[in-house]
Amino acid sequence: GAVVSQHPSWVICKSGTSVKIECRSLDFQATTMFWYRQFPKQSLMLMATSNEGSKATYEQGVEKDKFLINHASLTLSTLTVTSAHPEDSSFYICSAPMRREIGYNEQFFGPGTRLTVL
Amino acid sequence: QKEVEQDPGPLSVPEGAIVSLNCTYSNSAFQYFMWYRQYSRKGPELLMYTYSSGNKEDGRFTAQVDKSSKYISLFIRDSQPSDSATYLCAMKDEGFQKLVFGTGTRLLVSP
Repeated sequence: GAVVSQHPSWVICKSGTSVKIECRSLDFQATTMFWYRQFPKQSLMLMATSNEGSKATYEQGVEKDKFLINHASLTLSTLTVTSAHPEDSSFYICSAPMRREIGYNEQFFGPGTRLTVL
Repeated sequence: QKEVEQDPGPLSVPEGAIVSLNCTYSNSAFQYFMWYRQYSRKGPELLMYTYSSGNKEDGRFTAQVDKSSKYISLFIRDSQPSDSATYLCAMKDEGFQKLVFGTGTRLLVSP
């Protein structure tokens, strides 16, 4: 299967600072990537859809000025949490789709980034 | 009402048991149904996907979809301690890439 990596895997930062998380598709190109947030013992909640060469599409209730997304190339999307606060502490996971058959793109997930804001 | 409902568990079974996991959903437009396994602090990995109604088998895993009842199931035969993880159902409709996830069921298989 295809591989999606994330960096860093774990980050601790002080309240008020910004943190950048990278998502890379290692062996395939992805014009679209997805960013999810997962709180402990809860499911994945889609935050935004990252589109290569254009603006990201954010889900309802997600602050676009706080969670900046840049999809600069066909293999890299970044999520920057600006002015992080303790309530932003969570597990952030990205995914990238790859065409498997007509109408179906398999989503390959990254290993996740654990963000702790002190 | 959530679009996808899934019992969070935990579900505890002894090694060798048959495990049944399921989800219900409300959106009749969903056509693709997936089961993901997620180990603690890891990203989800795809176990199986099914298009529309029917059964699909892969080794010890069987996925069933009943669109008339809006109900999907994952069966694990001869469960192993290594199957202990959270199992997430996910689904999407035709043409869209966005997945809608259930809350996940935590499975514990004891030796």
